[in-house]
Amino acid sequence: DTGVSQDPRHKITKRGQNVTFRCDPISEHNRLYWYRQTLGQGPEFLTYFQNEAQLEKSRLLSDRFSAERPKGSFSTLEIQRTEQGDSAMYLCASSPSGSTDRAYGYTFGSGTRLTVV
Amino acid sequence: GNSVTQMEGPVTLSEEAFLTINCTYTATGYPSLFWYVQYPGEGLQLLLKATKADDKGSNKGFEATYRKETTSFHLEKGSVQVSDSAVYFCALLSSSEGSARQLTFGSGTQLTVLP
Repeated sequence: DTGVSQDPRHKITKRGQNVTFRCDPISEHNRLYWYRQTLGQGPEFLTYFQNEAQLEKSRLLSDRFSAERPKGSFSTLEIQRTEQGDSAMYLCASSPSGSTDRAYGYTFGSGTRLTVV
Repeated sequence: GNSVTQMEGPVTLSEEAFLTINCTYTATGYPSLFWYVQYPGEGLQLLLKATKADDKGSNKGFEATYRKETTSFHLEKGSVQVSDSAVYFCALLSSSEGSARQLTFGSGTQLTVLP
């Protein structure tokens, strides 16, 4: 397994356009997380899935944001009607479920850097 | 709620100098603690971790000890190298299920090591 993969690595879009990012987690991990990181800050939690179920969403996840994980494998994060404030690095991570993730931590992908112009 | 406070940077050191990056946390229960490293333009890589009080995590010459009495997890390295230049994040993972079940990060500390 090659780790957590994210696509694309970079995305430049015009304000008002929709964008979609993809994340492929480590295959045996059933938990998947999305984080957002703005310049000079630590990552902030957006949402997480256990298998295909979206179990938690942050208040940061406005109604313009939607995430899916069909079949409990890869996940997509869509941002509709992008705004300049959406410019950030979007990080995906995965972990095993249960108490083992406290010892294991998360494995992060390389992120998708979004620039809204 | 959970929170992590990191020493503010940036930190600039000469090669072979001693490094300390302070990290303190607030959490209920017994969280697990982590240090992640981020190189320019990349995602986060797990550097080391500790899951209970007095545990010492270590990797690549870096160490951190989980101190419950001072709620701290300071990162140290005896002799830094230019290749250690990166941003370092302290993070905690709550022992609670449900709404607290996520990694909480500090704001990061930029380290630059000069030759």
